[in-house]
Amino acid sequence: ETGVTQTPRHLVMGMTNKKSLKCEQHLGHNAMYWYKQSAKKPLELMFVYSLEERVENNSVPSRFSPECPNSSHLFLHLHTLQPEDSALYLCASSPSRGEETQYFGPGTRLLVL
Amino acid sequence: DAKTTQPNSMESNEEEPVHLPCNHSTISGTDYIHWYRQLPSQGPEYVIHGLTSNVNNRMASLAIAEDRKSSTLILHRATLRDAAVYYCILRDSGTYKYIFGTGTRLKVLA
Repeated sequence: ETGVTQTPRHLVMGMTNKKSLKCEQHLGHNAMYWYKQSAKKPLELMFVYSLEERVENNSVPSRFSPECPNSSHLFLHLHTLQPEDSALYLCASSPSRGEETQYFGPGTRLLVL
Repeated sequence: DAKTTQPNSMESNEEEPVHLPCNHSTISGTDYIHWYRQLPSQGPEYVIHGLTSNVNNRMASLAIAEDRKSSTLILHRATLRDAAVYYCILRDSGTYKYIFGTGTRLKVLA
């Protein structure tokens, strides 16, 4: 148990659906991250939030929309996804953006049909 | 971004030491070397990190070459619970980003 929880753990959606992934951290951290882990590929950083402000957006398609309403919660809103978006989506947090250690949640396994 | 190179897989016997190598020949002077591991069905978990000197903690040891172009993660006594994918990562000193590679899948044999 890392103190970072993600829901749902598994999600199947059609290409026309809208869904949201939720991440919550109970560590009092100020920075939160979304990563994508596709099969046979390295983890890719998608978004970084520091003190609820988005500080990085790594050329992620607009069909992925992050939201950070407060320092404990992070959402990833999904709409009109493609089958190639099927992956494990991981949330992480750290005390601040420059802190050494990131704490990862267990991930949401997403399948787009 | 500096990159890391690791063997795709390694095997170890239980209760024996394991040395997991990592090459990072393009590392810059201020990049930290981090190791994370990912157990099945879990997110990555921090193992250890260092800059220039060798480091020890309760999980592992990190040996860093003098020229910093390579490092080795040492598990002193592998257990079945250590079976995981181990990632050697450079943390970009300017952007604080982790640059993940494909990692080494460690198999521990009973």
